[in-house]
Order: sequence, then structure tokens, then C-alpha cells
Amino acid sequence: KAGVTQTPRYLIKTRGQQVTLSCSPISGHRSVSWYQQTPGQGLQFLFEYFSETQRNKGNFPGRFSGRQFSNSRSEMNVSTLELGDSALYLCASSAVGLAGYNEQFFGPGTRLTVL
Amino acid sequence: GQNIDQPTEMTATEGAIVQINCTYQTSGFNGLFWYQQHAGEAPTFLSYNVLDGLEEKGRFSSFLSRSKGYSYLLLKELQMKDSASYLCAVRDRPPNAGNNRKLIWGLGTSLAVNP
Repeated sequence: KAGVTQTPRYLIKTRGQQVTLSCSPISGHRSVSWYQQTPGQGLQFLFEYFSETQRNKGNFPGRFSGRQFSNSRSEMNVSTLELGDSALYLCASSAVGLAGYNEQFFGPGTRLTVL
Repeated sequence: GQNIDQPTEMTATEGAIVQINCTYQTSGFNGLFWYQQHAGEAPTFLSYNVLDGLEEKGRFSSFLSRSKGYSYLLLKELQMKDSASYLCAVRDRPPNAGNNRKLIWGLGTSLAVNP
């Protein structure tokens, strides 16, 4: 089985721009979760999508949004980028999702740098 | 509030045993995960505990005490490849939040295994 894939792997943007990140889960997995990872804050949960619906949400501002398509692929969008948005963005897929026990499989991440 | 504490760094010798502790405070508890993350790579699942006690999986074991808000990851027969960051994550299910759940992550413990 192919693993979780994320594109692009690296992005450089400037303040005020917007960005869209993509995640393709493992085949058959219906849940996709997004995380932001920074050295100072560690891994922080953004949101989880399951069967095209946002099921769980972290404490990020509305500039961070996402969606999931019928094939379970997910996109995350960040608008009006700020310097503090520079981070590694990870997505993770699982068969069941956060509601039930099921390990999450992480993608390699997208490294976003905001200048 | 919600908080997860782990030591920032630990050092151990090849062949030895090391215990990485994790204490947590969350509004609801619905399971605890341990993940391993090598530098520049995505986290990979190690273990899951939802009931008190010890879960053993090869060289790795994880222990949970819900009453104490405490878990540890035990690594035996350390190998050089075990040098990595070890992340403790708690699935939080806040009261009055319906089915909303999220994973709260510690900052990770960076383990260096020396020859």
C-alpha cells in the first residue's frame, strides 16, 4: 500500500499571500487530520476530516481551513499568511479517525516558509 | 487547562534501558499514544494505551496510570537507530463537547543513544 503523500514538500510565500496544501491518504482511509509542527510549540492539531465532513477542530484562527473530497484526498488552505505560520504541516490518515482507536499514518509534511 | 509534559532531552547508552515519562492534564481522557519521530521525518506510531497497565510490544513497552495522569515509554536493548524524538499524545474528549475529540501533543523528548 502506498503511504500518505503530501504536496508540495516545500513552499516559500510572503506575508499576506495564501497557500493550499494537499494530502492524499492511504487507500481506504477515510479520516485525514492536519497538524502544524514548530520547534517551540510542537505538534498542534488543526482539524480532522472524515467522509468529507470536518469532524474535529483545534484552536486555530479562521484563516486556516480545509476540505475533503469524495476520494478522501484533503486540502488545507491558509489565507493572509503571517510570519508565524512558518512551520512543517503534517497530515495523517487513519481508517477510523479520532473517534475510535486507530493509529494515524503521517505523510512527510510540507515545509512552509513565510517571508 | 490542557497540558502534556515530557523531558526535553535524554541520553542513554547502546544496550541499556531508558524510560521516558509523560504527565498530562486534560479535560477528558480517551487514550494515550506514543510516536517516534526521526529528524526530518514524519512521526510513526509506537503504542496506544487507554486502560491502566503495561502494553508490551517487542523492545518497546508503554505504561498508563489514568488516576495519576501519567504514562511512560520503556525502551530496552537500546540501539543507535533509537535516537529520535519520542512524542506523547493524549486524545482529549472534553465534557459537553459531544463527539468532538482532538489529539494534544507533548513537545517530544529527544533521545540520544551513544555507543
